[in-house]
Amino acid sequence: QARLVESGGGVVQPGKSLRLSCAASGFDFGTYPMHWVRQAPGKGPEWISFISSHGSNEYYADSAKGRFTISRDNPKNTLYLQLDSLTAEDTALYYCARDALPDTWEYYFDLWGQGALVTVSS
Amino acid sequence: EIVLTQSPGTLSLSPGERATLSCRASQSVNSVYVAWYQQKPGQAPRLLIYGASVRATGIPDRFSGSGSGTEFTLTINRVEPDDFAVYFCQQYGTSPVTFGQGTRLDIK
Repeated sequence: QARLVESGGGVVQPGKSLRLSCAASGFDFGTYPMHWVRQAPGKGPEWISFISSHGSNEYYADSAKGRFTISRDNPKNTLYLQLDSLTAEDTALYYCARDALPDTWEYYFDLWGQGALVTVSS
Repeated sequence: EIVLTQSPGTLSLSPGERATLSCRASQSVNSVYVAWYQQKPGQAPRLLIYGASVRATGIPDRFSGSGSGTEFTLTINRVEPDDFAVYFCQQYGTSPVTFGQGTRLDIK
């Protein structure tokens, strides 16, 4: 059964960094583009970042550009999100999500993890 | 970016009734690239509909999507107890992809 499991969330001070991981299992991870989507409490989801199946293309929301970095390690079936220069506005549940079709860029999401909570507070 | 506005904010219905959820886009969505998700408390969103009207794998046929341009609708026929949740629409035709703020479907 396909599954995504995030880790690495926590409480961090403004200006500090955090690295999230997403372990994939039950499907051919290396053929799927992947995304990070976040959701602040009581709000709708917000797409943050995309990485192509082989990692050669990356895209970011304006809110993430220059501060967040997406990467992946296909042999380890793991997706990452490096969060730098965090502010209180970055407080949210961060989900990794699978693009709906392998080897294409659909930008809708058919598999989500359970989320990693990031709280930015002094 | 395209702003999606969902209405109503909360919909209170009894089991067996029909639910009609609306999603209005601030500009036309490219080629009906609209998806709908269901989210229950403490859970990740679950894909229901993509391509505005195509049910995702395993989604019951009481869920249907329709619309084009700037107006999209999710209809749930004969709402069941398991359907009470928050529903989000998403457009993925124009970068950046965006989501609506959600409609909560409550038991009346």
